[in-house]
Amino acid sequence: KNQVEQSPQSLIILEGKNCTLQCNYTVSPFSNLRWYKQDTGRGPVSLTIMTFSENTKSNGRYTATLDADTKQSSLHITASQLSDSASYICVVSDRGSTLGRLYFGRGTQLTVWP
Amino acid sequence: EADIYQTPRYLVIGTGKKITLECSQTMGHDKMYWYQQDPGMELHLIHYSYGVNSTEKGDLSSESTVSRIRTEHFPLTLESARPSHTSQYLCACRGLGEGTDTQYFGPGTRLTVL
Repeated sequence: KNQVEQSPQSLIILEGKNCTLQCNYTVSPFSNLRWYKQDTGRGPVSLTIMTFSENTKSNGRYTATLDADTKQSSLHITASQLSDSASYICVVSDRGSTLGRLYFGRGTQLTVWP
Repeated sequence: EADIYQTPRYLVIGTGKKITLECSQTMGHDKMYWYQQDPGMELHLIHYSYGVNSTEKGDLSSESTVSRIRTEHFPLTLESARPSHTSQYLCACRGLGEGTDTQYFGPGTRLTVL
Protein backbone atom coordinates (compact mmCIF):
# COMPACT_ATOMS: atom_id res chain seq x y z
CA LYS A 1 0.00 0.00 0.00
CA ASN A 2 1.40 3.38 -1.00
CA GLN A 3 1.84 5.57 2.05
CA VAL A 4 3.54 8.72 3.25
CA GLU A 5 4.44 8.99 6.93
CA GLN A 6 5.70 12.17 8.58
CA SER A 7 7.36 12.75 11.91
CA PRO A 8 7.15 14.31 14.35
CA GLN A 9 3.44 15.02 14.34
CA SER A 10 4.10 18.33 16.08
CA LEU A 11 7.16 20.31 17.08
CA ILE A 12 7.78 23.42 19.17
CA ILE A 13 11.05 25.32 18.84
CA LEU A 14 12.38 28.71 19.88
CA GLU A 15 12.91 31.45 17.36
CA GLY A 16 16.34 31.30 15.80
CA LYS A 17 16.79 27.56 16.32
CA ASN A 18 17.09 24.96 13.56
CA CYS A 19 14.83 21.94 13.09
CA THR A 20 14.44 18.91 10.85
CA LEU A 21 11.21 17.30 9.73
CA GLN A 22 11.08 13.73 8.43
CA CYS A 23 9.10 12.02 5.68
CA ASN A 24 9.16 8.29 4.91
CA TYR A 25 7.29 6.91 1.94
CA THR A 26 6.46 3.58 0.33
CA VAL A 27 5.10 5.01 -2.93
CA SER A 28 6.21 3.05 -5.97
CA PRO A 29 7.08 3.75 -8.67
CA PHE A 30 8.50 7.00 -7.34
CA SER A 31 8.49 10.13 -9.46
CA ASN A 32 8.98 13.15 -7.23
CA LEU A 33 8.58 14.42 -3.69
CA ARG A 34 7.42 17.86 -2.75
CA TRP A 35 7.32 19.72 0.55
CA TYR A 36 4.46 22.15 1.11
CA LYS A 37 3.96 24.77 3.81
CA GLN A 38 0.38 25.30 4.93
CA ASP A 39 -0.46 28.25 7.14
CA THR A 40 -3.54 27.91 9.33
CA GLY A 41 -6.68 28.42 7.29
CA ARG A 42 -4.80 28.66 4.01
CA GLY A 43 -4.00 26.38 1.11
CA PRO A 44 -0.60 24.61 0.90
CA VAL A 45 2.24 26.42 -0.86
CA SER A 46 5.08 24.53 -2.52
CA LEU A 47 8.54 24.89 -0.93
CA THR A 48 10.67 22.40 -2.88
CA ILE A 49 10.33 19.53 -5.32
CA MET A 50 12.82 16.70 -5.68
CA THR A 51 13.10 14.03 -8.33
CA PHE A 52 14.74 10.64 -8.11
CA SER A 53 18.19 11.89 -9.08
CA GLU A 54 18.31 14.82 -6.66
CA ASN A 55 19.79 14.47 -3.16
CA THR A 56 19.37 17.98 -1.84
CA LYS A 57 17.64 21.21 -2.78
CA SER A 58 17.48 24.54 -1.01
CA ASN A 59 14.97 27.36 -1.00
CA GLY A 60 16.22 30.12 1.24
CA ARG A 61 16.28 28.83 4.82
CA TYR A 62 14.61 25.57 3.74
CA THR A 63 16.76 22.63 2.65
CA ALA A 64 15.24 19.35 1.56
CA THR A 65 17.11 16.07 1.22
CA LEU A 66 16.09 12.86 -0.48
CA ASP A 67 17.41 9.32 -0.15
CA ALA A 68 15.59 7.36 -2.82
CA ASP A 69 17.20 4.10 -1.69
CA THR A 70 15.79 4.26 1.83
CA LYS A 71 12.73 6.22 0.68
CA GLN A 72 13.29 9.01 3.15
CA SER A 73 13.23 12.77 2.89
CA SER A 74 13.90 15.52 5.37
CA LEU A 75 13.17 19.23 5.48
CA HIS A 76 15.66 21.30 7.44
CA ILE A 77 14.72 24.80 8.53
CA THR A 78 17.56 27.08 9.51
CA ALA A 79 17.34 30.05 11.89
CA SER A 80 13.61 29.66 12.40
CA GLN A 81 11.30 32.66 12.39
CA LEU A 82 7.86 33.18 13.90
CA SER A 83 6.42 33.10 10.39
CA ASP A 84 7.66 29.53 9.98
CA SER A 85 4.85 28.40 12.29
CA ALA A 86 2.71 26.24 10.00
CA SER A 87 1.99 22.69 8.94
CA TYR A 88 4.60 21.14 6.63
CA ILE A 89 3.23 18.49 4.30
CA CYS A 90 5.19 15.89 2.35
CA VAL A 91 3.60 14.87 -0.97
CA VAL A 92 4.86 12.06 -3.19
CA SER A 93 3.92 11.54 -6.85
CA ASP A 94 4.10 8.16 -8.52
CA ARG A 95 4.42 9.24 -12.17
CA GLY A 96 5.68 12.71 -12.98
CA SER A 97 5.55 12.92 -16.76
CA THR A 98 1.94 11.83 -16.91
CA LEU A 99 0.93 13.74 -13.76
CA GLY A 100 0.57 10.64 -11.66
CA ARG A 101 -1.28 10.20 -8.44
CA LEU A 102 -0.33 12.24 -5.37
CA TYR A 103 0.04 10.78 -1.89
CA PHE A 104 -0.15 13.16 1.06
CA GLY A 105 1.35 12.89 4.51
CA ARG A 106 -0.57 14.18 7.53
CA GLY A 107 1.92 16.97 8.05
CA THR A 108 4.12 18.17 10.89
CA GLN A 109 2.70 21.07 12.86
CA LEU A 110 5.59 23.42 13.64
CA THR A 111 5.25 26.16 16.25
CA VAL A 112 7.99 28.74 16.66
CA TRP A 113 8.00 30.60 19.96
CA PRO A 114 9.67 33.98 20.54
CA GLU B 1 -1.29 37.40 -12.35
CA ALA B 2 -2.08 33.69 -12.77
CA ASP B 3 -3.71 32.34 -9.63
CA ILE B 4 -6.38 30.08 -8.16
CA TYR B 5 -9.29 31.49 -6.20
CA GLN B 6 -11.92 30.12 -3.85
CA THR B 7 -15.06 31.74 -2.50
CA PRO B 8 -16.36 32.03 0.06
CA ARG B 9 -13.41 31.72 2.43
CA TYR B 10 -15.69 30.96 5.37
CA LEU B 11 -19.28 29.71 5.38
CA VAL B 12 -21.57 28.92 8.31
CA ILE B 13 -24.87 27.42 7.26
CA GLY B 14 -27.78 25.46 8.68
CA THR B 15 -28.56 21.81 8.07
CA GLY B 16 -30.45 21.05 4.88
CA LYS B 17 -29.29 24.08 2.91
CA LYS B 18 -27.89 23.80 -0.59
CA ILE B 19 -24.44 25.31 -1.01
CA THR B 20 -21.97 25.82 -3.81
CA LEU B 21 -18.27 26.37 -3.21
CA GLU B 22 -16.63 28.28 -6.04
CA CYS B 23 -13.20 27.62 -7.48
CA SER B 24 -11.63 29.39 -10.42
CA GLN B 25 -8.12 29.51 -11.86
CA THR B 26 -6.38 31.69 -14.37
CA MET B 27 -3.40 29.38 -14.94
CA GLY B 28 -4.93 27.61 -17.92
CA HIS B 29 -4.43 24.16 -16.37
CA ASP B 30 -6.70 21.35 -17.49
CA LYS B 31 -6.47 19.31 -14.30
CA MET B 32 -8.38 20.48 -11.24
CA TYR B 33 -9.05 18.85 -7.88
CA TRP B 34 -11.14 19.16 -4.73
CA TYR B 35 -9.74 18.01 -1.40
CA GLN B 36 -11.33 17.77 2.03
CA GLN B 37 -9.15 18.34 5.07
CA ASP B 38 -10.04 18.05 8.75
CA PRO B 39 -7.83 19.77 11.38
CA GLY B 40 -4.52 17.98 11.84
CA MET B 41 -5.35 15.41 9.19
CA GLU B 42 -4.13 14.77 5.67
CA LEU B 43 -5.83 16.00 2.54
CA HIS B 44 -8.35 13.59 1.03
CA LEU B 45 -9.18 13.75 -2.66
CA ILE B 46 -12.96 13.92 -3.21
CA HIS B 47 -13.26 14.99 -6.88
CA TYR B 48 -11.05 15.65 -9.87
CA SER B 49 -11.35 16.75 -13.46
CA TYR B 50 -8.96 16.36 -16.37
CA GLY B 51 -10.75 18.89 -18.55
CA VAL B 52 -14.06 20.34 -19.66
CA ASN B 53 -16.98 17.93 -19.19
CA SER B 54 -14.69 15.49 -17.35
CA THR B 55 -15.32 14.78 -13.65
CA GLU B 56 -14.39 11.81 -11.49
CA LYS B 57 -14.86 10.86 -7.85
CA GLY B 58 -11.78 10.72 -5.69
CA ASP B 59 -10.61 8.38 -2.96
CA LEU B 60 -12.86 9.70 -0.20
CA SER B 61 -16.56 9.17 -0.71
CA SER B 62 -18.41 12.47 -0.71
CA GLU B 63 -22.03 13.47 -1.07
CA SER B 64 -20.95 16.55 -2.98
CA THR B 65 -21.04 16.92 -6.76
CA VAL B 66 -18.90 18.93 -9.16
CA SER B 67 -19.16 20.27 -12.69
CA ARG B 68 -16.61 21.45 -15.26
CA ILE B 69 -18.31 23.46 -17.95
CA ARG B 70 -15.38 25.84 -18.41
CA THR B 71 -11.66 25.17 -18.06
CA GLU B 72 -11.19 27.86 -15.44
CA HIS B 73 -14.19 27.02 -13.26
CA PHE B 74 -14.73 23.95 -11.02
CA PRO B 75 -17.57 24.48 -8.52
CA LEU B 76 -18.52 21.98 -5.80
CA THR B 77 -22.15 21.62 -4.69
CA LEU B 78 -23.79 20.09 -1.63
CA GLU B 79 -27.53 19.63 -2.20
CA SER B 80 -28.35 19.27 1.49
CA ALA B 81 -25.66 20.23 3.98
CA ARG B 82 -25.22 18.22 7.19
CA PRO B 83 -22.99 18.73 10.25
CA SER B 84 -20.80 15.84 9.02
CA HIS B 85 -19.87 18.05 6.04
CA THR B 86 -18.13 20.51 8.35
CA SER B 87 -14.53 20.67 7.12
CA GLN B 88 -12.04 22.66 5.07
CA TYR B 89 -12.37 22.28 1.31
CA LEU B 90 -9.32 22.95 -0.84
CA CYS B 91 -9.37 23.37 -4.60
CA ALA B 92 -6.24 22.82 -6.67
CA CYS B 93 -5.09 22.88 -10.26
CA ARG B 94 -2.14 21.05 -11.70
CA GLY B 95 0.17 21.47 -14.63
CA LEU B 96 3.73 22.07 -15.66
CA GLY B 97 5.24 24.85 -13.57
CA GLU B 98 8.70 25.53 -12.15
CA GLY B 99 9.89 23.20 -14.90
CA THR B 100 7.99 20.21 -13.63
CA ASP B 101 4.67 18.87 -12.40
CA THR B 102 3.26 21.34 -9.88
CA GLN B 103 -0.02 21.45 -8.02
CA TYR B 104 -1.28 24.84 -6.94
CA PHE B 105 -3.79 25.18 -4.13
CA GLY B 106 -6.43 27.78 -3.52
CA PRO B 107 -6.81 29.41 -0.07
CA GLY B 108 -9.59 27.03 0.94
CA THR B 109 -13.17 27.33 2.15
CA ARG B 110 -13.87 26.53 5.77
CA LEU B 111 -17.42 25.18 5.96
CA THR B 112 -19.37 24.86 9.20
CA VAL B 113 -22.79 23.24 9.13
CA LEU B 114 -24.87 23.79 12.25
